[in-house]
Amino acid sequence: EAGVAQSPRYKIIEKRQSVAFWCNPISGHATLYWYQQILGQGPKLLIQFQNNGVVDDSQLPKDRFSAERLKGVDSTLKIQPAKLEDSAVYLCASSFTGRGPEAFFGQGTRLTVV
Amino acid sequence: AQTVTQSQPEMSVQEAETVTLSCTYDTSESDYYLFWYKQPPSRQMILVIRQEAYKQQNATENRFSVNFQKAAKSFSLKISDSQLGDAAMYFCAYRSEVGNEKLTFGTGTRLTIIP
Repeated sequence: EAGVAQSPRYKIIEKRQSVAFWCNPISGHATLYWYQQILGQGPKLLIQFQNNGVVDDSQLPKDRFSAERLKGVDSTLKIQPAKLEDSAVYLCASSFTGRGPEAFFGQGTRLTVV
Repeated sequence: AQTVTQSQPEMSVQEAETVTLSCTYDTSESDYYLFWYKQPPSRQMILVIRQEAYKQQNATENRFSVNFQKAAKSFSLKISDSQLGDAAMYFCAYRSEVGNEKLTFGTGTRLTIIP
């Protein structure tokens, strides 16, 4: 079974530029999460999708962050415009409701805003 | 809201020895899950072990075991026969059994294995 795929692995941008991250969850997983992990901290949930609907986006800075999950499979997270404090690792995870509570994570994208 | 606290930013252990990582959490719920995830330098979060709150028996996965104290809201991870490959950040995480499935993480413990 293929794992959660994310791209790119690394990205360096200047502040005020825009950036997008892509995630392909494990096949059949209805729930998809985007987490932000700032250096020295644990991951924090940005947004959670169930199929292509948003379940929780309470901690997503909606003035600059947006996310979509078209057709309930792949997802894209966008930041526009980026700020220095957005430098972090962005982790995508997926889970299969009804088959255990575990979430499976991708390798993440390390974003550096300069 | 639930919170997870890991009070040991760093731990070290000699290879082949045993180490215990601590985690406490705060919740008003009675049904939930607790997890330990490992994050090596590759950044991918890898599930180590999980515990259902309704189970009294502590979970075990090979060299990894937990000490789950529900009344004390404590959930420690014991790694036996430590190996070099165990070196990583370890995160304790909480998830409700009902409602939102999001994970709430602690701040992590960096584990170093001394050869």
